[in-house]
Amino acid sequence: DAGVIQSPRHEVTEMGQEVTLRCKPISGHDYLFWYRQTMMRGLELLIYFNNNVPIDDSGMPEDRFSAKMPNASFSTLKIQPSEPRDSAVYFCASSSSGHFQPQHFGDGTRLSIL
Amino acid sequence: SQKIEQNSEALNIQEGKTATLTCNYTNYSPAYLQWYRQDPGRGPVFLLLIRENEKEKRKERLKVTFDTTLKQSLFHITASQPADSATYLCALLMDSSYKLIFGSGTRLLVRP
Repeated sequence: DAGVIQSPRHEVTEMGQEVTLRCKPISGHDYLFWYRQTMMRGLELLIYFNNNVPIDDSGMPEDRFSAKMPNASFSTLKIQPSEPRDSAVYFCASSSSGHFQPQHFGDGTRLSIL
Repeated sequence: SQKIEQNSEALNIQEGKTATLTCNYTNYSPAYLQWYRQDPGRGPVFLLLIRENEKEKRKERLKVTFDTTLKQSLFHITASQPADSATYLCALLMDSSYKLIFGSGTRLLVRP
């Protein structure tokens, strides 16, 4: 079975540029989560969707960040304009309904903003 | 304030011994607690889930306990192997949300 697929795996760009991270969840999963991981703050939830609808975006750091889920098999996380403090590893995860269901993570996008 | 605490120092043990990792939390009332394993350059991988009304859960060489009075979970790996070396993350889940709140993780090193 294909797991959660994220692209790109690595992204290096200059401050001020727009960055788009992509995620394909596991087929049949109706929850999708975006996380950010840094040494200082650990793994933090940014936003999650249920059936393509954003449910909780309280972790989105500021208006420069936006996330969309146009259909059940694709989601994007966009940063515009990017800043050096956005440098982190961004993970996407998906799960089935039910609080006892585990979240399945992709291998992340390592983002470096110069 | 709300906190989840895991040992920030790496746990270094000899192969064959039991590894015990601790997860303490304050000012949360989780309905579920999950443990994940993370290898360098990879995403976290789910290991075990335990509910608030369960005291203990086992899966092969893994055992998790959950004490809601002490606000603590212990994660045990028996007969540890070098392949168990990784970072282990605990995560809390409230009944009212699907929002997982992660601890900072403990790095486990198993020496051959």
